[in-house]
Amino acid sequence: EAAVTQSPRNKVTVTGGNVTLSCRQTNSHNYMYWYRQDTGHGLRLIHYSYGAGNLQIGDVPDGYKATRTTQEDFFLLLELASPSQTSLYFCASSPGLASQNTLYFGAGTRLSVL
Amino acid sequence: GDSVTQTEGPVTVSESESLIINCTYSATSIAYPNLFWYVRYPGEGLQLLLKVITAGQKGSSRGFEATYNKETTSFHLQKASVQESDSAVYYCAPASSGSWQLIFGSGTQLTVMP
Repeated sequence: EAAVTQSPRNKVTVTGGNVTLSCRQTNSHNYMYWYRQDTGHGLRLIHYSYGAGNLQIGDVPDGYKATRTTQEDFFLLLELASPSQTSLYFCASSPGLASQNTLYFGAGTRLSVL
Repeated sequence: GDSVTQTEGPVTVSESESLIINCTYSATSIAYPNLFWYVRYPGEGLQLLLKVITAGQKGSSRGFEATYNKETTSFHLQKASVQESDSAVYYCAPASSGSWQLIFGSGTQLTVMP
């Protein structure tokens, strides 16, 4: 049974649209992350959190908000979507820091902004 | 800043052939990095393939091996005999010592032909 579940798996929206990507983990992990992946690039960190109510800025946060409502749930919000945000988004969780621990990923959400 | 370069895909090999996916890592300052290879099978999220977090250690899993070469700062992934089920995208992800983040390579798409 998948321990990190993302929804939706695919999403199409228009420029200026409002999008929320959801992630739920059942690993009881403290850390959760949102990454994006674009062709020719590695995964790039957007936001991360180390607990409910906590939010930290990653490397490419512009245009994104995030909220960690519970230990299990981490949301990524695009309030005014732009075509540059067309990408494959991954959510992940880990028990501790990413450099020391295994990351557990969801299957990804493919977002297209027209 | 720190950067990682890995074999550009797609890579196609025949079943039972050997495989090397190159990964080199440059950092502004490291003592010894933590090193990870992640793999993404079709339709799934990334999952840990192997890791090395101790100097000189060889990581191995599912027939794959990787050893950190300090002189060349490389962490190449090798397998002596690939199988069709190894078809996936492989990501090199080092972390410099003292940093909590991983730096993901752009991924290498591997297709193994029967």
